[in-house]
Amino acid sequence: GNSVTQMEGPVTLSEEAFLTINCTYTATGYPSLFWYVQYPGEGLQLLLKATKADDKGSNKGFEATYRKETTSFHLEKGSVQVSDSAVYFCALSDYGKAAGNKLTFGGGTRVLVKP
Amino acid sequence: SQTIHQWPATLVQPVGSPLSLECTVEGTSNPNLYWYRQAAGRGLQLLFYSVGIGQISSEVPQNLSASRPQDRQFILSSKKLLLSDSGFYLCAWSLTSGAQYFGPGTRLTVL
Repeated sequence: GNSVTQMEGPVTLSEEAFLTINCTYTATGYPSLFWYVQYPGEGLQLLLKATKADDKGSNKGFEATYRKETTSFHLEKGSVQVSDSAVYFCALSDYGKAAGNKLTFGGGTRVLVKP
Repeated sequence: SQTIHQWPATLVQPVGSPLSLECTVEGTSNPNLYWYRQAAGRGLQLLFYSVGIGQISSEVPQNLSASRPQDRQFILSSKKLLLSDSGFYLCAWSLTSGAQYFGPGTRLTVL
C-alpha cells in the first residue's frame, strides 16, 4: 500500500534560518502530493500541492518539488519566522472520487522557531 | 467559496455517554466527506469517509459510527464513549482534485 515518511521532529531553529523537512513516499501510479500545516488547536490547512513529476508547489514562501526519481517532496523555506511554528504534514492522494480521494499522511513534523 | 463548519468546538463527556459531532460544508455539491481523529501529539487516523448520501466506509473498527443524512452534512456518533475516544476530531471535504480541506476541529475529552 501507499506510505509517507517524514523526518521526526521537533525541529528547532532560529528566526531567519533555512528550513527543510524531508518527505519520501511509496505509491503505485502517479499520486498527487501535498503539504499541510497545523497551528496549535486548529485544523489542517493546505499549504501547497503538486500533481505531477517536476511540478513545484509554492505558497507563503514555502516550496516543494515533486521528484519522481527519488520519490520525494521535501518542504523548504528560505527564512522562517516565529509564526511558522506549527506541525507540518506531508500527504499523497489515492486518486479518484470512487476510491474516496483518500489521503495517506506522514506522521507530522513539529517545527519550533525561536526569536 | 467553500466553507466547512464543525460543532461543538470543545466537548467534555463522561465515560458511557453518547456522542454526536456534526460537520457541514457550504458552497459545493456532492463532496467526499471524511472524519479523522488526532490523539494528543500524534498523527491523523482516518475513521470514516463518504462519497455520497447514505454511503459510509469505515476504516477502523471501533465503537464510533458515521452517517450522512444530507449531501453536505456528516455526523459522527457513539452510543457509549470510552476513555480512549478522547482526541481532536477533524472533518474534511474534497472533490476530484485530491486535496482535502479541513474544518476547525472538535476537542473531545472523555472523563
